[in-house]
Amino acid sequence: AQRVTQPEKLLSVFKGAPVELKCNYSYSGSPELFWYVQYSRQRLQLLLRHISRESIKGFTADLNKGETSFHLKKPFAQEEDSAMYYCALSGSNTGNQFYFGTGTSLTVIP
Amino acid sequence: EPEVTQTPSHQVTQMGQEVILRCVPISNHLYFYWYRQILGQKVEFLVSFYNNEISEKSEIFDDQFSVERPDGSNFTLKIRSTKLEDSAMYFCASNRDGGYEQYFGPGTRLTVT
Repeated sequence: AQRVTQPEKLLSVFKGAPVELKCNYSYSGSPELFWYVQYSRQRLQLLLRHISRESIKGFTADLNKGETSFHLKKPFAQEEDSAMYYCALSGSNTGNQFYFGTGTSLTVIP
Repeated sequence: EPEVTQTPSHQVTQMGQEVILRCVPISNHLYFYWYRQILGQKVEFLVSFYNNEISEKSEIFDDQFSVERPDGSNFTLKIRSTKLEDSAMYFCASNRDGGYEQYFGPGTRLTVT
């Protein structure tokens, strides 16, 4: 069965510190992994996806199939990074469905 | 930049009543989705819709739920007889090609009393 696990509900880091938001998944096949972000009072929006292998707003995420992980990282956190972050999975086995994790609320302390 | 819109932003209804949640997807998008998020829980897929029919639905999307595209712009989610446990944030999303980037609306908060 498809599952996305984000073990941390809350994460606080100081401005300028590195940040890592963890995501592990369970999927039989080749998944597509995504990070979505929801800033305060705004809608869910795509942050990045593993197939594009790009860095958005300084964030990167590498798909590690051996560890079934897709952790989101940023070397130097900024206050504007404070938001809710959702890891999501899709793939040929899921049709159009996205499976979301429970989310991690990131607070960057000035 | 075009956005998905949803109305109302907050709907309060009594248990057993019917509710219709409305969404206006981005105009050139062809695939439409509903998700829900119960407070404190994860975002859950409900249904996807393409070419005027349901293409995928989850176990949550039982006979109490239905979707419709009544005209060229609106995409609606109807709950026939609401239950307390239907209280949640409902998100509409759309994309052009059924690919992986979905554009989300701001959500409708449904409160069933």
